[in-house]
Amino acid sequence: EPEVTQTPSHQVTQMGQEVILRCVPISNHLYFYWYRQILGQKVEFLVSFYNNEISEKSEIFDDQFSVERPDGSNFTLKIRSTKLEDSAMYFCASSPRHINPGTGVELFFGEGSRLTVL
Amino acid sequence: AQRVTQPEKLLSVFKGAPVELKCNYSYSGSPELFWYVQYSRQRLQLLLRHISRESIKGFTADLNKGETSFHLKKPFAQEEDSAMYYCALGSGSRLTFGEGTQLTVNP
Repeated sequence: EPEVTQTPSHQVTQMGQEVILRCVPISNHLYFYWYRQILGQKVEFLVSFYNNEISEKSEIFDDQFSVERPDGSNFTLKIRSTKLEDSAMYFCASSPRHINPGTGVELFFGEGSRLTVL
Repeated sequence: AQRVTQPEKLLSVFKGAPVELKCNYSYSGSPELFWYVQYSRQRLQLLLRHISRESIKGFTADLNKGETSFHLKKPFAQEEDSAMYYCALGSGSRLTFGEGTQLTVNP
């Protein structure tokens, strides 16, 4: 069964460093997402991406964050200058269709990338 | 703004007992609600969605618009149901998750 894959599974970085988290969505999916979960807190939406553009972003997704689909398979999240509060589990997800009301579209999640900022 | 609340962080029941995981939501539009589950060392995955009115692994959830609730129920819990359960509301292109309830089913 196809799955969303994420690398690395765990990354430790120094504050101020750039980090790139990588995701390979399910191959025939068209919508891509990043979520994060700070330890002990909710899973929070960061950004959705479709047709090489950001569809929607949350207030968390500020100028330090960017997303890219550099080729036909990868979907990346870049944090330009990491802060201590960026330490979290980052989940990539994909879906075959848009989350339109009444469709009940399922999101398929990766296993997550744990980012630790020291 | 949308909001999802799961009042119980931890829930412990014995095998064979009924279980109910509570979820309340706040949303001005027509809600699209889901339950996601994360078993130990596994990825977050969809359990069920209100639009399908389905029963998955013996679990059901009914949308109650009057009480703005979408509680998850199972009449007879099994040990393999032990997991983290998240209620989620879909709007735009995002899911808004609740805090999650860790369910433990004891033998």
